Amino acid sequence: AQTVTQSQPEMSVQEAETVTLSCTYDTSESDYYLFWYKQPPSRQMILVIRQEAYKQQNATENRFSVNFQKAAKSFSLKISDSQLGDAAMYFCALGTQGGSEKLVFGKGTKLTVNP
Amino acid sequence: EPEVTQTPSHQVTQMGQEVILRCVPISNHLYFYWYRQILGQKVEFLVSFYNNEISEKSEIFDDQFSVERPDGSNFTLKIRSTKLEDSAMYFCASSAETGGFYEQYFGPGTRLTVT
Repeated sequence: AQTVTQSQPEMSVQEAETVTLSCTYDTSESDYYLFWYKQPPSRQMILVIRQEAYKQQNATENRFSVNFQKAAKSFSLKISDSQLGDAAMYFCALGTQGGSEKLVFGKGTKLTVNP
Repeated sequence: EPEVTQTPSHQVTQMGQEVILRCVPISNHLYFYWYRQILGQKVEFLVSFYNNEISEKSEIFDDQFSVERPDGSNFTLKIRSTKLEDSAMYFCASSAETGGFYEQYFGPGTRLTVT
């Protein structure tokens, strides 16, 4: 079975500061993908960043970067220079190839950005 | 930018009634998904659909659930006889292809309340 755990139900950060959201996962698959999705209030989930497990280099997308520790099965998201628009629920998700590529989600972390 | 849309945004129904939740995936996408999120819990995979048939379903997706792509644009989830525990946010998603784990695009969700 595949599981994703987000141990921080809520986090807060000051505008312009850096925050790191934690995620751990478990899978027996060797080929898998990890994602961070952002869900602003009353809006749909949008993909923030993805990481292919076979790639050693950590993914980055502008102010968003990940720290992918494959041996530790850890996949944290770092948001630099936090902006008010970053306030949202953040979901970590795991996907494996084969079949339907369903996503397994964590419970989410609610990020508040303080001005 | 193309988006996945869902209707209605909120549906209230009485226990035992049938409901149909509607989704319009992105037009050139081939893979379709339903997920649900009970309040305070994880987003859970329900079913995936490709080439007019179910490719995978979860344990949650029992005989009271069905999916259909009645025309070239809509993708529906039917709950035949709703139960109180079906109250949740239901998300539709679509993706262009598989085999490389393409991004799943999510709709804004339908909040189903069963009374």
